[in-house]
Amino acid sequence: EAQVTQNPRYLITVTGKKLTVTCSQNMNHEYMSWYRQDPGLGLRQIYYSMNVEVTDKGDVPEGYKVSRKEKRNFPLILESPSPNQTSLYFCASSLDRQNIQYFGAGTRLSVL
Amino acid sequence: QQQVKQSPQSLIVQKGGISIINCAYENTAFDYFPWYQQFPGKGPALLIAIRPDVSEKKEGRFTISFNKSAKQFSLHIMDSQPGDSATYFCAASLNAGGTSYGKLTFGQGTILTVHP
Repeated sequence: EAQVTQNPRYLITVTGKKLTVTCSQNMNHEYMSWYRQDPGLGLRQIYYSMNVEVTDKGDVPEGYKVSRKEKRNFPLILESPSPNQTSLYFCASSLDRQNIQYFGAGTRLSVL
Repeated sequence: QQQVKQSPQSLIVQKGGISIINCAYENTAFDYFPWYQQFPGKGPALLIAIRPDVSEKKEGRFTISFNKSAKQFSLHIMDSQPGDSATYFCAASLNAGGTSYGKLTFGQGTILTVHP
């Protein structure tokens, strides 16, 4: 089954404690992206990657890091989480220029 | 800077009615306009999409109307059903090329509730 898998689905942490949210896709997609979803703001892109070792900032990259060492994986790293990073996070991937992005089920993060 | 503005924030419709959600964009370089549907606890999923060379696209009960000169596009859901209750996001994508490939800019979202 074609899918984008995020882990964990729910995470509660404390300010300053480094965390990683994993994302994996089994569709051999080149393009992957991370979004955060906040009420009234829609989905905002954090980082995206066009291929292995190629990443770029989205609209709200501050406080986040990503890496793309393998085509299928695109982890999101919060080196020192802060309460304003409490949000619902989505990973997405797409094959080509048609921009049909397939989203994971989301990771709800709470930073206390 | 919100490049895609969506309205209304929430919408309540009776079963069988027409749901209309509107979006306006600023960047004339956008060349792909998808709508995504999101059910509670799920990620968004592509519903329907349009490119600016056509003014309307219909798939079943869902229609996108596109007005290039006004820089607006809208989603119409005909014969709305309770199962259509979800959050709907419009989006826009820049021309491919360089580092802009596949970058989607989303609207704020509309929570649609269809009452039986």
